Amino acid sequence: NAGVTQTPKFQVLKTGQSMTLQCAQDMNHNSMYWYRQDPGMGLRLIYYSASEGTTDKGEVPNGYNVSRLNKREFSLRLESAAPSQTSVYFCASLGGARGGELFFGEGSRLTVL
Amino acid sequence: QKEVEQDPGPLSVPEGAIVSLNCTYSNSAFQYFMWYRQYSRKGPELLMYTYSSGNKEDGRFTAQVDKSSKYISLFIRDSQPSDSATYLCAMSDPNSGYALNFGKGTSLLVTP
Repeated sequence: NAGVTQTPKFQVLKTGQSMTLQCAQDMNHNSMYWYRQDPGMGLRLIYYSASEGTTDKGEVPNGYNVSRLNKREFSLRLESAAPSQTSVYFCASLGGARGGELFFGEGSRLTVL
Repeated sequence: QKEVEQDPGPLSVPEGAIVSLNCTYSNSAFQYFMWYRQYSRKGPELLMYTYSSGNKEDGRFTAQVDKSSKYISLFIRDSQPSDSATYLCAMSDPNSGYALNFGKGTSLLVTP
């Protein structure tokens, strides 16, 4: 079982460059999320998608766009990267018999120079 | 003020000790309460999940929720070096798409 798969795992960008972080889940979950994790700040929600075709802003959406391509895939795009976007990005999907349980990917480490 | 507050530590204890981790929150709409464990350079994984006030036990782990005080705790008995990780409390409001609100995480080190 792959669970939640994120690509790439590591990326270095220059200020102003663009890139897309890819996320796919094979658990048939409806809801998917993008978080960023920074030292001393914890996990902060960037965007989420409650179901295919819908997306909503989270706590820190500025500078990001998302696309829910289909039920499996939820991508995060940085149109013009800034050093403040240096972070570890986690994709997650909501499932589990207990409800409210998030399954996380391994993370994507992004450095913006 | 963040909706979820958690002391970041770090917390260092000897093997076998009882560990107590705590979070407070301000949003009365939170209904689901969770503890996630995150090893270095890995994604968080669910450790404990509770819905109502009271205690829930799973092996060496006990989760406690006090909704009246807006306070949750995680207790680890007979702590092991393998418990060394960052522990994140999280809670969600079903009316907000189950998006989790996380505490900043407490770094725990259990020394042999």
